[in-house]
Amino acid sequence: DADVTQTPRNRITKTGKRIMLECSQTKGHDRMYWYRQDPGLGLRLIYYSFDVKDINKGEISDGYSVSRQAQAKFSLSLESAIPNQTALYFCATSDGPLDGGAFFGQGTRLTVV
Amino acid sequence: GENVGLHLPTLSVQEGDNSIINCAYSNSASDYFIWYKQESGKGPQFIIDIRSNMDKRQGQRVTVLLNKTVKHLSLQIAATQPGDSAVYFCAERNTGSYKLIFGSGTRLLVRP
Repeated sequence: DADVTQTPRNRITKTGKRIMLECSQTKGHDRMYWYRQDPGLGLRLIYYSFDVKDINKGEISDGYSVSRQAQAKFSLSLESAIPNQTALYFCATSDGPLDGGAFFGQGTRLTVV
Repeated sequence: GENVGLHLPTLSVQEGDNSIINCAYSNSASDYFIWYKQESGKGPQFIIDIRSNMDKRQGQRVTVLLNKTVKHLSLQIAATQPGDSAVYFCAERNTGSYKLIFGSGTRLLVRP
């Protein structure tokens, strides 16, 4: 079983719809992250959470919201999806100081039509 | 602003040759660097890391070099194999921020 699991793996949705991407981890890490990846661009941070009661905006949080339901679960929502949110989304986890880097899920490919 | 970038978007090498992937960073306050490998359809996978108090670190067939004077990071892969074909990203951590900033990636293609 994967340490960081994302669901769904692929999703096509219509403009204006609300959609939730889910992430769960078995690594026991407190810190969780949502990144977005677009062709030709590096991973960009959307939101991050250092523990269940801590939620922080990343560099591109507009149009997104998150929920940290438990230490192991961190979900990303698009309240009203738009086509330029079509991208590959990654959830990641890390220990406190990021020693060893962040551990990534397999990704969710989201297409907004 | 802060920037982590790569000089070459695509690198093609012959199987068995050595590969060198480069990365430039602009934030002198970064204290920790990581190289990731991303295969098609998968998430980024940790390869090797280096702290800012080091110049070189070696792993299995991979070496990372850090030149703080010119803010340059490189990943060397020895005896490149077809399984090394992937996109490689560098990432930096700014001191105290506990967040990673990623470069845009270099695609490595290994010719048989």
